[in-house]
Amino acid sequence: SAVISQKPSRDICQRGTSLTIQCQVDSQVTMMFWYRQQPGQSLTLIATANQGSEATYESGFVIDKFPISRPNLTFSTLTVSNMSPEDSSIYLCSVEEAGNQETQYFGPGTRLLVL
Amino acid sequence: GQNIDQPTEMTATEGAIVQINCTYQTSGFNGLFWYQQHAGEAPTFLSYNVLDGLEEKGRFSSFLSRSKGYSYLLLKELQMKDSASYLCAALIYNQGGKLIFGQGTELSVKP
Repeated sequence: SAVISQKPSRDICQRGTSLTIQCQVDSQVTMMFWYRQQPGQSLTLIATANQGSEATYESGFVIDKFPISRPNLTFSTLTVSNMSPEDSSIYLCSVEEAGNQETQYFGPGTRLLVL
Repeated sequence: GQNIDQPTEMTATEGAIVQINCTYQTSGFNGLFWYQQHAGEAPTFLSYNVLDGLEEKGRFSSFLSRSKGYSYLLLKELQMKDSASYLCAALIYNQGGKLIFGQGTELSVKP
């Protein structure tokens, strides 16, 4: 299965600042996704990171707040912009391997605390 | 809209069997995932059902009925380490696949 790494693993940030989270996969994958898991909650999809085109955002999430890049088939970034304490969450990257929808694996997550 | 329901919490005894149910109402449904998540960790893949019926993997089995919009995860011979949150997620294919998660079931295994 694909091995997924995320950086940073955790961070404490001041409100009003921005943080960019990186997701690296050890093999080429067709689909990459970004999820948020707020404290005590389940996972909510933020957006699908599309290679070579703009990300597809879910209802309630916008590009200005969560800009996403996907320059190639193994790497993506999610930026949390102009942070507020409500953005304190775990941010998870997940991937679907090429031609195999049965494989949706998650990275280790980035734990973000905004003060 | 898309809706996934599962119980918030369950308690079971070590060595016993527990069944965690999940019902879903979605459009573009393709299949049903179960994940296990320990506190402070990322979800780990347990099973994926796309066809009706029961699939067994060691102590864990997962069942799907597409006509009823229903799935369950069956855990046998419970161990203390099975205490975790169990997440049910529907794979939706509308111009690309995405997962819609239930709220998760917090399972506590008691001695």
